[in-house]
Amino acid sequence: DIVMTQSPLSLSVTLGQPASISCRSSQSLLYSDGNTYLIWFHQRPGQSPRRLIYQVSNRDSRVPDRFSGSGSDTDFTLEISRVEAEDVGVYYCMQDTLWPNTFGQGTKLEIK
Amino acid sequence: QVQLVQSGPEVKKPGASVKVSCKASGYTFTNYGVTWVRQAPGQGLEWMGWVSGFNGNTNYAQKLQGRVTMTRDTSTTTAYMELRSLTSDDTAVYYCARETEDYWGQGTLVIVSS
Repeated sequence: DIVMTQSPLSLSVTLGQPASISCRSSQSLLYSDGNTYLIWFHQRPGQSPRRLIYQVSNRDSRVPDRFSGSGSDTDFTLEISRVEAEDVGVYYCMQDTLWPNTFGQGTKLEIK
Repeated sequence: QVQLVQSGPEVKKPGASVKVSCKASGYTFTNYGVTWVRQAPGQGLEWMGWVSGFNGNTNYAQKLQGRVTMTRDTSTTTAYMELRSLTSDDTAVYYCARETEDYWGQGTLVIVSS
């Protein structure tokens, strides 16, 4: 199975400041069709996960443009340009290039 | 609008089985599979498997092979996840999601306790 490793596991950020989360995979996530199937989710306490970013850098509709995804191969990053109060919660990366899909451990974001 | 509505919470004894349903609406059910993910209390997300909306083909996480069955009923646009031989380690919130993981159910809490 592909192992997904996130860092840091927790993040304390001042409102309005940027935040960055890294996600590394144990093998390349580039699929034979040329796409890279790396997704970022946000989960607030007591809620279902919400997809933010798919295929590395495509932002879902209604996701604020302060969220962006980047990376390739085995190294990926989620960036929040200016953290807002509603951004608290846990962020997960997940690969669905190769079954079984696998998640990172999660990164807990809190406001300083 | 796309919606996935799951069945209610369950309390089961060790060794029992549980079957969680996921009613899909707002899209063509047979065009997408359904993924199942679970989350133990205070823990991260764990992919359990997938069932095709088109033909019912499945793919399960190896650790659950032999204990889990995922099915779907196209007439009611509902997907099901059955887990057998439950232990306390299966206590979790179980989520269904459209296979593109863009829409999720609200989650179903399953508690396994004697």
